[in-house]
Amino acid sequence: GAVVSQHPSRVICKSGTSVKIECRSLDFQATTMFWYRQFPKQSLMLMATSNEGSKATYEQGVEKDKFLINHASLTLSTLTVTSAHPEDSSFYICSVKGDRDYEQYFGPGTRLTVT
Amino acid sequence: GQNIDQPTEMTATEGAIVQINCTYQTSGFNGLFWYQQHAGEAPTFLSYNVLDGLEEKGRFSSFLSRSKGYSYLLLKELQMKDSASYLCASMDSNYQLIWGAGTKLIIKP
Repeated sequence: GAVVSQHPSRVICKSGTSVKIECRSLDFQATTMFWYRQFPKQSLMLMATSNEGSKATYEQGVEKDKFLINHASLTLSTLTVTSAHPEDSSFYICSVKGDRDYEQYFGPGTRLTVT
Repeated sequence: GQNIDQPTEMTATEGAIVQINCTYQTSGFNGLFWYQQHAGEAPTFLSYNVLDGLEEKGRFSSFLSRSKGYSYLLLKELQMKDSASYLCASMDSNYQLIWGAGTKLIIKP
């Protein structure tokens, strides 16, 4: 399967600032990537589906102007949380869609804390 | 609507067997997944069932009944390192994963 990395693994930022999270597919050409958010003791929630070279598809209730996704290459997708607030504090996880429709390979996640 | 149900928490003894149940309702079905998630880490893939029956992989087995919308994960010869959350996820007709909230498994010596 694909090896997926995320950077940073942890980030603390002040309320009102923006933070960028990178998701890299190290050994696989990632046409499609997914961004998830997980609050403590809750399930993963899909935020958006990112396709290389086109606009991301956001799930209902996810503000596209707040969570900016850029998937400019087959190895990198970025999620930028703009004007972050404490309620945006969460565990953000990306995944890469594999060759088969049912395959997903997860990154290690990024813990965002907004103070 | 789409819904995944699994117990919130289970406790078992080292060396024993534990079965974690999951029921699902999704729009279409393209398979049932089990993932293991340690605290503060991303999920890691354990199993994938798309046909009815039992799939065995070492100490872990997964069962699916599509007619009942039911799956279970069976863990044998439990080890302390198996203490984690176990996430059940169903893939819907759009190949999107619908996740359960996870079952926290506590292993006691």
